[in-house]
Amino acid sequence: KQEVTQIPAALSVPEGENLVLNCSFTDSAIYNLQWFRQDPGKGLTSLLLIQSSQREQTSGRLNASLDKSSGRSTLYIAASQPGDSATYLCAVSRNRDDKIIFGKGTRLHILP
Amino acid sequence: SAVISQKPSRDICQRGTSLTIQCQVDSQVTMMFWYRQQPGQSLTLIATANQGSEATYESGFVIDKFPISRPNLTFSTLTVSNMSPEDSSIYLCSAAGTVNEKLFFGSGTQLSVL
Repeated sequence: KQEVTQIPAALSVPEGENLVLNCSFTDSAIYNLQWFRQDPGKGLTSLLLIQSSQREQTSGRLNASLDKSSGRSTLYIAASQPGDSATYLCAVSRNRDDKIIFGKGTRLHILP
Repeated sequence: SAVISQKPSRDICQRGTSLTIQCQVDSQVTMMFWYRQQPGQSLTLIATANQGSEATYESGFVIDKFPISRPNLTFSTLTVSNMSPEDSSIYLCSAAGTVNEKLFFGSGTQLSVL
């Protein structure tokens, strides 16, 4: 059974710092991995999607990496801003027709 | 990308009543999904809403408690029936053009059952 773990559960960093959020999954046979952002009282916004054949994806100040063999992904946020404060969730799917399994998320707070 | 309108955004309901949540997508999508997010927990898939056929429910969720409609490729509803305080949660709908490509989410429904 696939399990997705995100550490830390919460993180506070000063504005301007670079930071890394971690995601691990128990079954390395994944189809893809996605990182989402969730603002309080809101739905989820897809940030990056990495296919199983890819090692990383970049969008602006965000970079997500994937190491299938070790069951890990990281989300790197450069030059953090207060607007980056949100909960970040990662999610994996085993194959194209399988459901997506979510981690519990990391609550990120950027201090002005 | 797809824009999903979900309503209501929040509701406070009495025990034993039912609430229907609606999701409207601005484009035709193959798959729509309904999730529950309990406080401090990750998202749990309730069911996959299939157009033209019955929804596919995950273990622990049944049609009598969470009936789903999917009358066309842009719309779906989830009903939370005979509610109890344990049903208090955020309910989210999502859609993907093809299964397990990028998921797009509605803004969620915050449900509180007294």
